[in-house]
Amino acid sequence: DAKTTQPTSMDCAEGRAANLPCNHSTISGNEYVYWYRQIHSQGPQYIIHGLKNNETNEMASLIITEDRKSSTLILPHATLRDTAVYYCIVRSYNTDKLIFGTGTRLQVFP
Amino acid sequence: DAGITQSPRYKITETGRQVTLMCHQTWSHSYMFWYRQDLGHGLRLIYYSAAADITDKGEVPDGYVVSRSKTENFPLTLESATRSQTSVYFCASRRGRDNEQFFGPGTRLTVL
Repeated sequence: DAKTTQPTSMDCAEGRAANLPCNHSTISGNEYVYWYRQIHSQGPQYIIHGLKNNETNEMASLIITEDRKSSTLILPHATLRDTAVYYCIVRSYNTDKLIFGTGTRLQVFP
Repeated sequence: DAGITQSPRYKITETGRQVTLMCHQTWSHSYMFWYRQDLGHGLRLIYYSAAADITDKGEVPDGYVVSRSKTENFPLTLESATRSQTSVYFCASRRGRDNEQFFGPGTRLTVL
C-alpha cells in the first residue's frame, strides 16, 4: 500500500472550515483513500473514503486531486469536539489490512 | 448491547506472565483486527482475521498469539509479557473489504 504524508499538527478556529491535507504520491489505481480520526484516547472513528471522485457525507468532504497524488479532508464548520488526530490511509481493495500512520493533530480553538 | 467490546479495560501484570485480552463483536463481521498504540505513536497492526479459523500477521506480531474459533470473538494472548508490551490495545471489526472499520474502546495494559 502507498505511504501517506500528513502535517504533524494544525490549528483551526471554531466555526471555520478545517482543511487537512494528505500526500500520497505513490498511490496506484486500485487504492482507496480513507480518513479516520481518534479523539483523545478513544478508538479511531471512520470519517470517509474515496477512490477517484470527491465524496461528501454528514461528517466531512473528501477532495481528491485529478492525478490522485494528494487529497484534502474538509470539516466544513469545525467545533471543539473535532479536536482529534486525523489519519489519512491508503489501502488497496485487495488488501485486508488497514495500516495507520502518525496522523495530523488538529486543535480547534474557541 | 450491540457493538464491539473489549475486556478488561485496564490490566496490570508482571513480566513473564500470560495475559489474554478479549474482543467481542455482535455484528457477525467477517474481519477482526488487533492494534497497539504506544504513547505518541499511531496504531500498529498486530494480527488480523478475515474469518473464523483464518488469521494473519500484521506489522508487529512477535510475542502475541491469536485465535478465532468463533466469528464474534478474537482473543489476543501475550504468552510471556514483557515491559515493551505495555501499551493500549484496540480491537476492531469490519463487515467486508470495502466497509468502515469499527474500533473497540481499548484495553490499557501495563507490564511491570
